[in-house]
Amino acid sequence: QKEVEQNSGPLSVPEGAIASLNCTYSDRVSQSFFWYRQYSGKSPELIMSIYSNGDKEDGRFTAQLNKASQYVSLLIRDSQPSDSATYLCAAETGGNTPLVFGKGTRLSVIA
Amino acid sequence: SAVISQKPSRDICQRGTSLTIQCQVDSQVTMMFWYRQQPGQSLTLIATANQGSEATYESGFVIDKFPISRPNLTFSTLTVSNMSPEDSSIYLCSVVGQPNQPQHFGDGTRLSIL
Repeated sequence: QKEVEQNSGPLSVPEGAIASLNCTYSDRVSQSFFWYRQYSGKSPELIMSIYSNGDKEDGRFTAQLNKASQYVSLLIRDSQPSDSATYLCAAETGGNTPLVFGKGTRLSVIA
Repeated sequence: SAVISQKPSRDICQRGTSLTIQCQVDSQVTMMFWYRQQPGQSLTLIATANQGSEATYESGFVIDKFPISRPNLTFSTLTVSNMSPEDSSIYLCSVVGQPNQPQHFGDGTRLSIL
């Protein structure tokens, strides 16, 4: 069974610090990985996608992928209180197959 | 990315009734999916909505309970039938605009069953 595992948190970091969110996946066939941010009462919003090993940076966000270790991470630099949300990691085996979601990590950025 | 409109945004329904949720996209999309998010939980895929044919359901979800239509490339509906309190959830439509692009979600329908 395909699984995506995340630490549920809450992960608390002070404002301005780096928040590190981690995710592992069980299906080695998975090719594409996504991070969604979900504010309370809202729907998930895509913030990062990564398809190949290494780092991908977009503003304050960096996604990291290690397919050998089946590990995906999201770094948020200069964390802001507005980053406080649940972050969902998702994996896809490719070809626009349905996503498999982790349970999400709740991040709290303390001002 | 495509603009996704989901209706209704929320509803409170009586046990035993049915509710149809609509998902309208402002452009043709490759794929449409329906997810459920139960309180405090992550997203679970209900089915893939296939244009012009029967939806593909995930294990644990059946057509009689969650009939889905997708008459064209911009519109889909999900019906939650014979509702019980256990069906109280957020129901989310997601779309893929072009092949190999990420999924994007509608605003969701917050459903409560009394």
